[in-house]
Amino acid sequence: NAGVTQTPKFRILKIGQSMTLQCAQDMNHNYMYWYRQDPGMGLKLIYYSVGAGITDKGEVPNGYNVSRSTTEDFPLRLELAAPSQTSVYFCASSGGIWIFGQGTRLTVV
Amino acid sequence: DQQVKQNSPSLSVQEGRISILNCDYTNSMFDYFLWYKKYPAEGPTFLISISSIKDKNEDGRFTVFLNKSAKHLSLHIVPSQPGDSAVYFCAASDSGANSKLTFGKGITLSVRP
Repeated sequence: NAGVTQTPKFRILKIGQSMTLQCAQDMNHNYMYWYRQDPGMGLKLIYYSVGAGITDKGEVPNGYNVSRSTTEDFPLRLELAAPSQTSVYFCASSGGIWIFGQGTRLTVV
Repeated sequence: DQQVKQNSPSLSVQEGRISILNCDYTNSMFDYFLWYKKYPAEGPTFLISISSIKDKNEDGRFTVFLNKSAKHLSLHIVPSQPGDSAVYFCAASDSGANSKLTFGKGITLSVRP
């Protein structure tokens, strides 16, 4: 099925550990985004990309890094996990309408 | 500084009645508005959108109204169904800003049978 695929769905990290959240889309969209959603809040933009090789910071980029080596993939990297990064992370791509993945629920303890 | 505001955190309506979800924005550069629906443990799914050149867009039971002078939009669902119970997010985009979407905090809609 065409769409945005995120892995893993759930993860528990210890403080200071690192991990990469994977995101892939098969719609040949140039635009891709990473958002986080905290309880009772809207989605806040972490990083985005307008095409392969191009990335830029969103509203809340601190503590994260991204890369965009292909059109399909847009991984999000956490280098030193902190409790403040406990959240649900959504990846999206856009070709006019933003299509979201199912989310990754991350807990940092 | 919240650029997209959904001031009511929740709404409860009777099945068959109309649900009206409101959204306000402050950035006059926004020219494209979308509504997303979100069920627990799922990603947001697109519901309906409207461009700033229109004041109304309708899709089945869902209608979005845009009042540019008031910087206000609303989503009408009629008739409401229990399956409509979800969190609804209003989002806005400035087409000249790399198509970034700015979201409101969401409204939890409960439709009572």
